[in-house]
Amino acid sequence: AQKVTQAQTEISVVEKEDVTLDCVYETRDTTYYLFWYKQPPSGELVFLIRRNSFDEQNEISGRYSWNFQKSTSSFNFTITASQVVDSAVYFCALSEAGTASKLTFGTGTRLQVTL
Amino acid sequence: DSGVTQTPKHLITATGQRVTLRCSPRSGDLSVYWYQQSLDQGLQFLIQYYNGEERAKGNILERFSAQQFPDLHSELNLSSLELGDSALYFCASSVAIGVGYEQFFGPGTRLTVL
Repeated sequence: AQKVTQAQTEISVVEKEDVTLDCVYETRDTTYYLFWYKQPPSGELVFLIRRNSFDEQNEISGRYSWNFQKSTSSFNFTITASQVVDSAVYFCALSEAGTASKLTFGTGTRLQVTL
Repeated sequence: DSGVTQTPKHLITATGQRVTLRCSPRSGDLSVYWYQQSLDQGLQFLIQYYNGEERAKGNILERFSAQQFPDLHSELNLSSLELGDSALYFCASSVAIGVGYEQFFGPGTRLTVL
């Protein structure tokens, strides 16, 4: 069965600090996708990134970067030079082939960025 | 704005009642998903429809049902409501079915059962 673990329940940082959100997943499939979503205080879920199981290249988008390591079943998310607007709950999710692409979410990490 | 619309935004009702949540997917998207976000269960997949047909079921209670209409909008019906059904219900849509397609989420319907 597929499972996503986000062990960090809550992280507090001061603005401009770098922060890494951890995500560990479990799956028996060789074909799967990993996602990160952001849920700001307003409540909507905002898509951040998708990565397939055959592409282990790290990705950088502005201040955001993602590190995918199949050897450790991890898909970690780093925010560089954090800003107050980054304050949100971040969810890691997994979608396996053959599951009609449903998303299995982790429990989320609440990030609080203060001045 | 994801292009997915959900109505109503908020819903307050009493135990034992029945409610209907509505979702309109993004233009061109054929697949609709329903998710429930609650404090104790987190974000959980409920059910998926593709072009009018049910394709996958998650932890959806028997008191809950859904359907997707020919115009591709979807409705989630919740009946015999209990206090524990209070949650944020999200609808998401994707262009097709299959692993890896990005799911675009609506703003959610916050259901409060008193």
